[in-house]
Amino acid sequence: AAGVIQSPRHLIKEKRETATLKCYPIPRHDTVYWYQQGPGQDPQFLISFYEKMQSDKGSIPDRFSAQQFSDYHSELNMSSLELGDSALYFCASSEGNGELFFGEGSRLTVL
Amino acid sequence: KQEVTQIPAALSVPEGENLVLNCSFTDSAIYNLQWFRQDPGKGLTSLLLIQSSQREQTSGRLNASLDKSSGRSTLYIAASQPGDSATYLCAVKTSGTYKYIFGTGTRLKVLA
Repeated sequence: AAGVIQSPRHLIKEKRETATLKCYPIPRHDTVYWYQQGPGQDPQFLISFYEKMQSDKGSIPDRFSAQQFSDYHSELNMSSLELGDSALYFCASSEGNGELFFGEGSRLTVL
Repeated sequence: KQEVTQIPAALSVPEGENLVLNCSFTDSAIYNLQWFRQDPGKGLTSLLLIQSSQREQTSGRLNASLDKSSGRSTLYIAASQPGDSATYLCAVKTSGTYKYIFGTGTRLKVLA
C-alpha cells in the first residue's frame, strides 16, 4: 500500500540558509500535518492543511511557511535557519478526520 | 489547551509479561485518540485509532481503551516480546481542531 512520502530524507544546511521539505500524502488523503521532533522529544505540531487550505496552526516560527498544492502534496519552507531548527520533520496525512499516517521523516541538520 | 501526558516514562519488563501503558488528557472533548509506536530515529507507526464514540479497539496482542469522562486511555500489550521494544506515543485530536497533540511517550524495553 502507498505510504506518505517525504523528501529529502536528510538535509544539511548552514545557519541563515533556506530549506524546503516536501510531502506527498497517501492517495485520496485530503489532510496534511507537519510536525517537528527534537532529540528525545515528542512530536510538536507545526501546521495542517485540509483541502489545500490551512486548517490549524501550532508552534510554527514566523520564519517557516507551508502550503498544500492542487495535487495535495505539501511543502514546508524554512528560512534564516538556526541551529535550534535541527530536528526530524514529519509529515502525516489522513482522510478527513480518519487515521493519521506518518512519513519516515526528513532529518534537518543546521551547522 | 489540550495537554497529554503518559506514564510511565520508561518501562523495562521481561519477555512474556502483559503490560499497560497509560495516557491522560486534560480536555475530554476529543474527536479521536491514536496510539503510535516509534523506533529510534524512525517514523511513527500507527497502532490503533479509537474514535470518541468507541470504548476500545483491538489489534492482535494490542488492546486500547478510552474513557473520555476521566480523560484516560490505556494501551494493553499481551505477552510482550523483545520486538515490542520501542517508544509508544498517544496522540489526541480535540473536537474542532485539525491537529493531534502528542503525549510525552513511554519508552518500553522488553528483555529476552
